[in-house]
Amino acid sequence: QKEVEQNSGPLSVPEGAIASLNCTYSDRGSQSFFWYRQYSGKSPELIMSIYSNGDKEDGRFTAQLNKASQYVSLLIRDSQPSDSATYLCAVNRGYSSASKIIFGSGTRLSIRP
Amino acid sequence: DVKVTQSSRYLVKRTGEKVFLECVQDMDHENMFWYRQDPGLGLRLIYFSYDVKMKEKGDIPEGYSVSREKKERFSLILESASTNQTSMYLCAVQGGGQYEQYFGPGTRLTVT
Repeated sequence: QKEVEQNSGPLSVPEGAIASLNCTYSDRGSQSFFWYRQYSGKSPELIMSIYSNGDKEDGRFTAQLNKASQYVSLLIRDSQPSDSATYLCAVNRGYSSASKIIFGSGTRLSIRP
Repeated sequence: DVKVTQSSRYLVKRTGEKVFLECVQDMDHENMFWYRQDPGLGLRLIYFSYDVKMKEKGDIPEGYSVSREKKERFSLILESASTNQTSMYLCAVQGGGQYEQYFGPGTRLTVT
């Protein structure tokens, strides 16, 4: 079992709709959770962090965390063509003096006009 | 947010050459990381450093070494480049009491 699992996609969503991206993780001791966006040929860019159960909203993005179910999700409202990218879920295990992050393999999102 | 720069965007080297990839941050963050990213394999941690002259192996350290002589600079060294080291290399920085990692633009290395 991978430590962080995501559906690879591609996930195709019409412009203006809500895109829902999901991620599960295996380590119950995980402390913090991140979503990165990565355009083709570019490096990952941090878009959301979430540390406690519930929802966290930032503009069109909402991150949701359920530690009991070991589940993290990212909702993108009013999807735009510029949201087409690969989205990486990342989990911090929170031990050791340097906090290593485990990345999922990413979900490719395509917004169709 | 911290700004992370990497020495080259694209690099082409020959098999057996020694390759240096450099990463520089503009803050005083403690932790720096080197990853490689390959299609279908995702991001894999090569080495990380949590202070000057301190380093720890990541998941795939074989064929690589690192150097951190100054806090703002973390170098990845390929002692003898091989074709299976053709990849996108990404440097990341973390610190300031935060868990988030911030990435540099990446170096696309091709070994022929």
